[in-house]
Amino acid sequence: GAVVSQHPSRVICKSGTSVKIECRSLDFQATTMFWYRQFPKKSLMLMATSNEGSKATYEQGVEKDKFLINHASLTLSTLTVTSAHPEDSSFYICSARGRKSPYEQYFGPGTRLTVT
Amino acid sequence: AQSVTQLGSHVSVSEGALVLLRCNYSSSVPPYLFWYVQYPNQGLQLLLKYTSAATLVKGINGFEAEFKKSETSFHLTKPSAHMSDAAEYFCAVSGYSGTYKYIFGTGTRLKVLA
Repeated sequence: GAVVSQHPSRVICKSGTSVKIECRSLDFQATTMFWYRQFPKKSLMLMATSNEGSKATYEQGVEKDKFLINHASLTLSTLTVTSAHPEDSSFYICSARGRKSPYEQYFGPGTRLTVT
Repeated sequence: AQSVTQLGSHVSVSEGALVLLRCNYSSSVPPYLFWYVQYPNQGLQLLLKYTSAATLVKGINGFEAEFKKSETSFHLTKPSAHMSDAAEYFCAVSGYSGTYKYIFGTGTRLKVLA
């Protein structure tokens, strides 16, 4: 139980285009979803927290207009990187939290974004 | 406020030797503590978690950790390292202070020598 999927697993896009990453909780309802960014050989950096049906809360220093987060249902959240640039290349990981264990997050497998 | 310190960004052990990865935490609320393992280009896999029940927690792949409140520690151990244990390990703390955000440590890269 508590499986989270991400799609795509890797994506290459050209500079200036937008790319969408999906995060789904497959077997539970996710009251909250989190989006992290991980730089090479570094720890996870929380970008934003989203609750179903409400606006995402962004961490300090994260551009909300560049990283659009939508949490339209209890099983789906999307991260759209708008007008991507090479410096946005990174590993993006989502996680989800359910009602049963609100203190625990379940992580997706990650999405490798490369902007050329 | 919460924080996590992982001592040793790189740890090397011989195959068959004891693995000890250190994690110290700070938390103003009762903590929940987690250890995750990450292989290259993969997400995080939960090894074990402390949720205020037993202080000695057993996880997958032979790992265990002991919650020591007096030392604010949650060190990860495994009696005998295997080559497949080579990976990045993250300690994380969570706790209710308005939200259950995770605070991650900086990670420890474990190298297993043949």
